[in-house]
Amino acid sequence: EPEVTQTPSHQVTQMGQEVILRCVPISNHLYFYWYRQILGQKVEFLVSFYNNEISEKSEIFDDQFSVERPDGSNFTLKIRSTKLEDSAMYFCASSRKGLAGGGQETQYFGPGTRLLVL
Amino acid sequence: AQKITQTQPGMFVQEKEAVTLDCTYDTSDQSYGLFWYKQPSSGEMIFLIYQGSYDEQNATEGRYSLNFQKARKSANLVISASQLGDSAMYFCAMREPGAGGFKTIFGAGTRLFVKA
Repeated sequence: EPEVTQTPSHQVTQMGQEVILRCVPISNHLYFYWYRQILGQKVEFLVSFYNNEISEKSEIFDDQFSVERPDGSNFTLKIRSTKLEDSAMYFCASSRKGLAGGGQETQYFGPGTRLLVL
Repeated sequence: AQKITQTQPGMFVQEKEAVTLDCTYDTSDQSYGLFWYKQPSSGEMIFLIYQGSYDEQNATEGRYSLNFQKARKSANLVISASQLGDSAMYFCAMREPGAGGFKTIFGAGTRLFVKA
């Protein structure tokens, strides 16, 4: 069964450094998402991406963050100048179609990248 | 603002018994989707069940069923015949309508403990 994959599974970085989190969505999916989950807290939406551009982003997704689909398979989240509060689990997700209203279109989540900023 | 409320931070259930995890939501939209995800200690998010706002019947997936009460804006998850492997965090989520791909809002979660 196809699945979303993410690398690395864990990343430790120094405050102020840049990190790139990588995701390979399911191959026939067209919509991509990043979420984060601070330890012990709920999952928070960061950004959705379609047709090589951001379709929606949350207030968390400020200028420190960027997303890119550099080739036909990878989807990346870059965090410039990391802060301590960026420590979290970052989930990538993908869906075949846009999640329009009541239609049953499920997002499939990757296993996550646990980021620790020291 | 749309939001999801899960009022039970933790729940205990005896193995083989049924358990209901509560979820209420708030939205002014007529078209929306409701989901439940399971997050075991390993951290991954596992899709369990979906309910569309226009679906007249409650969704069921194996041992999981969703008790959808639209007027009360509740979407409780019922797990029948609990198993030890059901011990995990459970998140209720709602998909907001919008243009193109858009976001899913999650509740704070309920941690379920299944006792042998």
